[in-house]
Amino acid sequence: GQSLEQPSEVTAVEGAIVQINCTYQTSGFYGLSWYQQHDGGAPTFLSYNALDGLEETGRFSSFLSRSDSYGYLLLQELQMKDSASYFCAVRARNTNAGKSTFGDGTTLTVKP
Amino acid sequence: NAGVTQTPKFRVLKTGQSMTLLCAQDMNHEYMYWYRQDPGMGLRLIHYSVGEGTTAKGEVPDGYNVSRLKKQNFLLGLESAAPSQTSVYFCASSYPGQDYEQYFGPGTRLTVT
Repeated sequence: GQSLEQPSEVTAVEGAIVQINCTYQTSGFYGLSWYQQHDGGAPTFLSYNALDGLEETGRFSSFLSRSDSYGYLLLQELQMKDSASYFCAVRARNTNAGKSTFGDGTTLTVKP
Repeated sequence: NAGVTQTPKFRVLKTGQSMTLLCAQDMNHEYMYWYRQDPGMGLRLIHYSVGEGTTAKGEVPDGYNVSRLKKQNFLLGLESAAPSQTSVYFCASSYPGQDYEQYFGPGTRLTVT
């Protein structure tokens, strides 16, 4: 099966940069996704890495290294509204279409 | 477009009661999913569907049934509710081949007493 590990909590100050890591154990997978979820809200898609390397979307970037079984989400110029939970997710190649696995999430707290 | 909608938003059940959660999407997505999220945890896949008339088991299917009679709707049933099924239930949908980008509904908060 797939196993994803993320830190449970991260704290940073407004304007700073924070990196949220995701390590995984799976024999092969299609790619790594990231989702954001504000307290009491629905998860929303942030980014997807199909290939190794860095993907940039505005203040958010996501990185994948298959050789290291590791990925991360980088948030720059942190704002108070970035306080939320962030989840990584994968769909392994040995699973049926549509069957994804999510990490337990990292709660980011941005302080003034 | 409304995106993904879920009804009801909140529900309280007594142990042994049954209920159906309704998910609807207006994005013409082939794939639909039901997840549950317990406090401080990630999303766990209950059942999913890759097309009208098809369903498949996810990670935690026991105690739940689903049906996908129409492409835009995905129903989740609890046959005999148990306190362990107290959770927030999220429905999601995606295009085939793009299940890395799922669109989620607002969730249903279910409490079983």
